[in-house]
Amino acid sequence: TQLLEQSPQFLSIQEGENLTVYCNSSSVFSSLQWYRQEPGEGPVLLVTVVTGGEVKKLKRLTFQFGDARKDSSLHITAAQPGDTGLYLCAANFGNEKLTFGTGTRLTIIP
Amino acid sequence: SAVISQKPSRDICQRGTSLTIQCQVDSQVTMMFWYRQQPGQSLTLIATANQGSEATYESGFVIDKFPISRPNLTFSTLTVSNMSPEDSSIYLCSVDLAGRSGYTFGSGTRLTVV
Repeated sequence: TQLLEQSPQFLSIQEGENLTVYCNSSSVFSSLQWYRQEPGEGPVLLVTVVTGGEVKKLKRLTFQFGDARKDSSLHITAAQPGDTGLYLCAANFGNEKLTFGTGTRLTIIP
Repeated sequence: SAVISQKPSRDICQRGTSLTIQCQVDSQVTMMFWYRQQPGQSLTLIATANQGSEATYESGFVIDKFPISRPNLTFSTLTVSNMSPEDSSIYLCSVDLAGRSGYTFGSGTRLTVV
């Protein structure tokens, strides 16, 4: 069974600070996605990374895919209250199914 | 991306009863996926529903408890049968239109069993 561990599990920071969320697996994945979920909604896709070492930027969010394709990170610069939510990484391990990480619940304090 | 309508959005049910959740997609899709999200936790895949064939269930989930229908390429239902308080969760359907490049989710059904 492939597992995706996210850290930290909970994070509460002040508006304007920077943060990094990590997603790690013991197995290689073929692609990895990051989602954000807000209360009462389903997860919404932020980005997909498929190439080892790949870096993608989405405004203040920077996503990195590890060279060994077993880890990823999400860095947020100058966090804003609108960034509050549950952040989930999700990986495809070479089949049709998506395995979700354990989740990071982020709270940005105004 | 696809638009998914899921209903009901929430329900409170008596133990021992069953609830059917509906998922309607605005595009034809081969596979639809049903997930469970227990309070404060991540998503766990229940089953994959292909049109015209039996659903494929993940370890720990069985057809008698979670029967799934997939009558056409835009619609699926998940039934939570003989409910107990442990079934209280958010249930989500999703589709992958572009082949592993990102899933679209319904807004979920928040189920409380009392």
